[in-house]
Amino acid sequence: DAMVIQNPRYQVTQFGKPVTLSCSQTLNHNVMYWYQQKSSQAPKLLFHYYDKDFNNEADTPDNFQSRRPNTSFCFLDIRSPGLGDAAMYLCATSTRQGRYNEQFFGPGTRLTVL
Amino acid sequence: KNQVEQSPQSLIILEGKNCTLQCNYTVSPFSNLRWYKQDTGRGPVSLTIMTFSENTKSNGRYTATLDADTKQSSLHITASQLSDSASYICVVSAYDTNAGKSTFGDGTTLTVKP
Repeated sequence: DAMVIQNPRYQVTQFGKPVTLSCSQTLNHNVMYWYQQKSSQAPKLLFHYYDKDFNNEADTPDNFQSRRPNTSFCFLDIRSPGLGDAAMYLCATSTRQGRYNEQFFGPGTRLTVL
Repeated sequence: KNQVEQSPQSLIILEGKNCTLQCNYTVSPFSNLRWYKQDTGRGPVSLTIMTFSENTKSNGRYTATLDADTKQSSLHITASQLSDSASYICVVSAYDTNAGKSTFGDGTTLTVKP
């Protein structure tokens, strides 16, 4: 089945130690998103790619970076994780050609910062 | 500023009962409204998606309604099951040439008890 895959599902890192989260998709969608979701809050958009075109949200900290080497993969790099970066990170995809621009979400990666 | 407000914040019902969740929005220009179900520790899963011209849409025991004039939507769950316990998120997208401009509500946490 076509889907959005996130690895790992759970990630533990130390304060200040760089960490990379990965997302892959078999939907062949041209838009990929990264969201941060803290407990009992709505997902917060960090950035998205429209093909290779990177779009950063104005309030996304510089600590967060992203790479999209090809259509299928997208990475979230947290350069120096702080305690406040502990959260669920959600990857989503959509197709710009679609009438509804519906987003399909992966299962998420739960990040713990020690 | 685009906003999505959901009510109630949380809801507890007995198995087999019906319930209705509300979503009010101020997103403009309106493109579509989506309801997602998010199980604890998982990514959101799409339930329904509606555009301006659609008043109601069903997905099994889930029925969503949309009143574009009053900018209100509801999600009705019929004959609730224990597996319906989750967070239900209303997401509204503005028509924009830049893919990805969606506004998320904070969600309604539904607990179904036996």
